[in-house]
Amino acid sequence: DAKTTQPPSMDCAEGRAANLPCNHSTISGNEYVYWYRQIHSQGPQYIIHGLKNNETNEMASLIITEDRKSSTLILPHATLRDTAVYYCIVRVPFSGNTGKLIFGQGTTLQVKP
Amino acid sequence: EAGVTQFPSHSVIEKGQTVTLRCDPISGHDNLYWYRRVMGKEIKFLLHFVKESKQDESGMPNNRFLAERTGGTYSTLKVQPAELEDSGVYFCASSQLSGTDTQYFGPGTRLTVL
Repeated sequence: DAKTTQPPSMDCAEGRAANLPCNHSTISGNEYVYWYRQIHSQGPQYIIHGLKNNETNEMASLIITEDRKSSTLILPHATLRDTAVYYCIVRVPFSGNTGKLIFGQGTTLQVKP
Repeated sequence: EAGVTQFPSHSVIEKGQTVTLRCDPISGHDNLYWYRRVMGKEIKFLLHFVKESKQDESGMPNNRFLAERTGGTYSTLKVQPAELEDSGVYFCASSQLSGTDTQYFGPGTRLTVL
């Protein structure tokens, strides 16, 4: 069963920041939050991940609330090529540092000119 | 660096036939995962290899599915005999054994069972 809930769709104007919310109220202490996106019929593409602290990379920023029950993915300057389905995912660990990704339904982000 | 590759990209078979899907992970990635999305559902985990060993196959739907990773390089997923409900997109992902286990996905194989 999915461990995350996301709005099914969102719009964003080109050049503006896109803020995608995610709820993961049942997340456990050792479970990471991952974000992936899927453009048309390609495979899921990794964006960013975090455990407790906020994270930033060249693609996006991830803001995780202090209680870890929700997070927000921020695309600072959305372009038309950012139109995709965005998945907020909880990674359930196996032993060591491996784990399975639990996908939800995702948010379809439409970036408009 | 080449990404994860999967073959074939599409497969159309009849109910009762056998199909074998192949995944080539990123070179040097010891972790290999299979996932799938069936119609209208979320992408779901099937199983995980570390090198040639199956570590977790809790997501395999039934014994018609057999995954192998002989030699710890590429992996195959065989469906025998295929049923209508097996239709969907099968994804493979790989990650390094050390580090953060960031999983990189292939483009998927779209399987249609008629």
